[in-house]
Amino acid sequence: SQKIEQNSEALNIQEGKTATLTCNYTNYSPAYLQWYRQDPGRGPVFLLLIRENEKEKRKERLKVTFDTTLKQSLFHITASQPADSATYLCASPDNYGQNFVFGPGTRLSVLP
Amino acid sequence: DTAVSQTPKYLVTQMGNDKSIKCEQNLGHDTMYWYKQDSKKFLKIMFSYNNKELIINETVPNRFSPKSPDKAHLNLHINSLELGDSAVYFCASSQDGTKETQYFGPGTRLLVL
Repeated sequence: SQKIEQNSEALNIQEGKTATLTCNYTNYSPAYLQWYRQDPGRGPVFLLLIRENEKEKRKERLKVTFDTTLKQSLFHITASQPADSATYLCASPDNYGQNFVFGPGTRLSVLP
Repeated sequence: DTAVSQTPKYLVTQMGNDKSIKCEQNLGHDTMYWYKQDSKKFLKIMFSYNNKELIINETVPNRFSPKSPDKAHLNLHINSLELGDSAVYFCASSQDGTKETQYFGPGTRLLVL
């Protein structure tokens, strides 16, 4: 069955460094991937969407890549700040285009 | 203005009870969703619904039922609550199904005792 995996359950980095989060998908080919941010006690908030024919997308300090050969998306936060600490979720439409499939998330902690 | 709202924010109840969670969106979206996020933080789709079609995740027990009085509302009714139903439930909406981004509500934290 189709599945999204996010390699790290938790990731700690120093302030100012670049955080890189990984999303891998198996058993399907999504037309696009989305990245969401979830803070404790809140619902996920959409950050970026990248389509299968796009290699890279940027928004301020955020960058997302999509490699259909590796079946992988990378999410980068440059010049990370403690305020970037949150759980980041990868998601895509399922193979039938009916619903969204979410990865388990990576909890990022940016240490001052 | 809150785009997607849910009530209540917290719900504590006894096993066997029936409860409802309400969801409203003021974005004019045509598709609404219910998700369950368990203690391991895994977000799983339960239902998606637009005016024409209800799509049910086959793993969802039939004790759970969505009810939509109109396009802006999708309520979740749960019968005979069980301990394993304890989780955070999120409502979300999107324009035109999976072709567009979802907007999530703040969540309802359900605890079944």
